[in-house]
Amino acid sequence: DGGITQSPKYLFRKEGQNVTLSCEQNLNHDAMYWYRQDPGQGLRLIYYSQIVNDFQKGDIAEGYSVSREKKESFPLTVTSAQKNPTAFYLCASSYQTMFREQYFGPGTRLTVT
Amino acid sequence: QKEVEQDPGPLSVPEGAIVSLNCTYSNSAFQYFMWYRQYSRKGPELLMYTYSSGNKEDGRFTAQVDKSSKYISLFIRDSQPSDSATYLCAMSARYQGGSEKLVFGKGTKLTVNP
Repeated sequence: DGGITQSPKYLFRKEGQNVTLSCEQNLNHDAMYWYRQDPGQGLRLIYYSQIVNDFQKGDIAEGYSVSREKKESFPLTVTSAQKNPTAFYLCASSYQTMFREQYFGPGTRLTVT
Repeated sequence: QKEVEQDPGPLSVPEGAIVSLNCTYSNSAFQYFMWYRQYSRKGPELLMYTYSSGNKEDGRFTAQVDKSSKYISLFIRDSQPSDSATYLCAMSARYQGGSEKLVFGKGTKLTVNP
């Protein structure tokens, strides 16, 4: 089955630690995205990538980093510089560009204490 | 004025009711319109997408786009308790020069009561 996988489903970290969230897709999509979802805030774009080895900052990139070494994979690192890292993180992909419909993974709930 | 406005609800209806979910937008460049369903603690699931004005039907769901009024709707017929979720609209624009933008509404929480 084609789809997007995110792991782990729940993640707990101590403040000051970096943490990496995994996102893999087998839809053969060129573009991949990371969003953060907080109650009442909607989806906010963190980073996106439309091609391997290239990525762009979204609206709230500060305190996050990404890499895109393979078409199928787009890991997100939440660094200790991110002031409010506790959130629900969603990875998505789309065919070619941001203009088209996006397909989402199941999400990772990150809790930092 | 926000680019995309969506009433957060909550909206509560009895089973079998027709549900109408709506979004308004201010950016006339939006051309591509989508609806997602998100169950609690899950990722959004794409329900429907359309590239034009008018209606698009898929089973119990109908998406309607009125570009002249900058208004989109999702209708759910014969609503079921399993339709209880948050529904997000999304819309995208492509500009001359190649830049693109995708904006999500904040979602409407729907509960269908048995």
